[in-house]
Amino acid sequence: GQQLNQSPQSMFIQEGEDVSMNCTSSSIFNTWLWYKQDPGEGPVLLIALYKAGELTSNGRLTAQFGTTRKDSFLNISASIPSDVGIYFCAGQLRGSQGNLIFGKGTKLSVKP
Amino acid sequence: GAGVSQSPSNKVTEKGKDVELRCDPISGHTALYWYRQSLGQGLEFLIYFQGNSAPDKSGLPSDRFSAERTGGSVSTLTIQRTQQEDSAVYLCASSLVYGAEAFFGQGTRLTVV
Repeated sequence: GQQLNQSPQSMFIQEGEDVSMNCTSSSIFNTWLWYKQDPGEGPVLLIALYKAGELTSNGRLTAQFGTTRKDSFLNISASIPSDVGIYFCAGQLRGSQGNLIFGKGTKLSVKP
Repeated sequence: GAGVSQSPSNKVTEKGKDVELRCDPISGHTALYWYRQSLGQGLEFLIYFQGNSAPDKSGLPSDRFSAERTGGSVSTLTIQRTQQEDSAVYLCASSLVYGAEAFFGQGTRLTVV
């Protein structure tokens, strides 16, 4: 099936650091969504992107819909402890019937 | 309701029994998705509804799995003759229209013993 390659798989952050993660695919997407999931909870929508090149911010979070429509990135600036969790990208393929495909997630943890 | 509601939140069942998982989407949302998430893993697509019809059932892992949606609202995911490998969190999401941002419920944690 179609795949989204999300990287990195995991990363450790120190409070105050900026964080960056991305998703890529060989296919073209109409929509990119970024979610955060805390333990025992459902994913919570952070940012939605609908147009190639679109750059959208939500507080300290910024995400972009790649100009080739095959990738997206999420940046978190000045990270804080509550940023830990698993971040998922999701996309709707061009020409698909509506199914949202998810990346495997990026796990953010605090540096010991 | 204000958000996507799933019930039960937890279900423990014996191997071989049937289970029904329920999803109440956000009022007015026409698209509804079911996903499965095993411990520490990503989200595995199961099935998608637009209204009461399911244009994409490609993710259902076997014929033991089925889902329906009635009245363009509530959806039920049924797993027959449950197996231990069915143990996972089953997540439901809805969106206003297909292609728009999807909002998730809290999930149903299914444990087959």
